[in-house]
Amino acid sequence: NAGVTQTPKFQVLKTGQSMTLQCAQDMNHEYMSWYRQDPGMGLRLIHYSVGAGITDQGEVPNGYNVSRSTTEDFPLRLLSAAPSQTSVYFCASSYPGGSSNTEAFFGQGTRLTVV
Amino acid sequence: AQSVTQLDSQVPVFEEAPVELRCNYSSSVSVYLFWYVQYPNQGLQLLLKYLSGSTLVKGINGFEAEFNKSQTSFHLRKPSVHISDTAEYFCAVWGSNDYKLSFGAGTTVTVRA
Repeated sequence: NAGVTQTPKFQVLKTGQSMTLQCAQDMNHEYMSWYRQDPGMGLRLIHYSVGAGITDQGEVPNGYNVSRSTTEDFPLRLLSAAPSQTSVYFCASSYPGGSSNTEAFFGQGTRLTVV
Repeated sequence: AQSVTQLDSQVPVFEEAPVELRCNYSSSVSVYLFWYVQYPNQGLQLLLKYLSGSTLVKGINGFEAEFNKSQTSFHLRKPSVHISDTAEYFCAVWGSNDYKLSFGAGTTVTVRA
């Protein structure tokens, strides 16, 4: 059981480049989400999805795009990278809130540097 | 919407001493509460969670937390820490009418010999 798998683990981009961070889960979770982690700010929600075909914005969505065509995959796209997007990105999946299994499982993270 | 405040950004502690990490939350609905740990250069791992029932929750690695509804707190404790407990700890809340976790800013615990 792989859990939540993120690729790549590390990435360096030039300003203006685009890229896609991949996230896949094999636990059949309905909920998936993307967070960014910056020093002293905890984890902030970028986008989330409550099921295939359904996505919504979190706290810091600007400059990012998502789609959810399958239950398993939830890619995050950076449209035109900026230095302010230098961060560590985490993907998470979970059962719906309120169930006895409520818990978010996290990937190992992608460390992104934009120069 | 929910919010989480972790009252200490850094907690230095000596090995075998007790530690308490403080977490307060605000919410207009009932909540589920979590503590996650992040070791250097790794992802987040669940320490413990409170969904309902007993307000004292025991987790992995000897950690426990107590849910106090009147004080809207969920403090994390360990009676005797080890060097290997050096990590960043995050308190998180999931509102019962919400789809996502809200995190505190994190507390860095540094255990010294």
